[in-house]
Amino acid sequence: DQQVKQNSPSLSVQEGRISILNCDYTNSMFDYFLWYKKYPAEGPTFLISISSIKDKNEDGRFTVFLNKSAKHLSLHIVPSQPGDSAVYFCAASEYYSGNTPLVFGKGTRLSVIA
Amino acid sequence: DAGVTQSPTHLIKTRGQQVTLRCSPISGHKSVSWYQQVLGQGPQFIFQYYEKEERGRGNFPDRFSARQFPNYSSELNVNALLLGDSALYLCASSWGVPSGNTIYFGEGSWLTVV
Repeated sequence: DQQVKQNSPSLSVQEGRISILNCDYTNSMFDYFLWYKKYPAEGPTFLISISSIKDKNEDGRFTVFLNKSAKHLSLHIVPSQPGDSAVYFCAASEYYSGNTPLVFGKGTRLSVIA
Repeated sequence: DAGVTQSPTHLIKTRGQQVTLRCSPISGHKSVSWYQQVLGQGPQFIFQYYEKEERGRGNFPDRFSARQFPNYSSELNVNALLLGDSALYLCASSWGVPSGNTIYFGEGSWLTVV
């Protein structure tokens, strides 16, 4: 049973436009969420995180939004750049309640077209 | 500062053999986690160690074992290899509390079982 779902396996966006990557979760106990980016032949790289007490967190071109009632989070990248082309993983944990390990989605492959 | 380092980067083993993968965490990090990533899937949690003690174990058979040494480096052992064990094995480290917060991945060890 997948607790973290990324329903779009791939996404193509033009350079300069906004990229929106979506993630849904089923475990209502999750209270900490992260996005990782992965290039081929490299390990995942931490991008941005958000705790359940917030609904938005920004870091430069990257913003994560959390909708707890819908059990949904999204990653916005504005403006998108060709170097953003990678696989993006959404991850979640019961950090504050039980400090459980991260549970990952299957990933979304983002292609930014110049 | 060096990131998480893993060895070997690639290896090929035959069914039934045993493999040992090694990981050195970021300097100052005391927690190490191991994840398996099969093609097309997100990383899946195998083990978590903190201060040389096992703090968590994922849904993997007893053929998988791990340990953490006094210098916080870690080894993952897999016995009686199956074809389905072919995957990218990722090690991640974090500073204090066990993973569930932000973790930093190495580049991984690609294991092919033939």
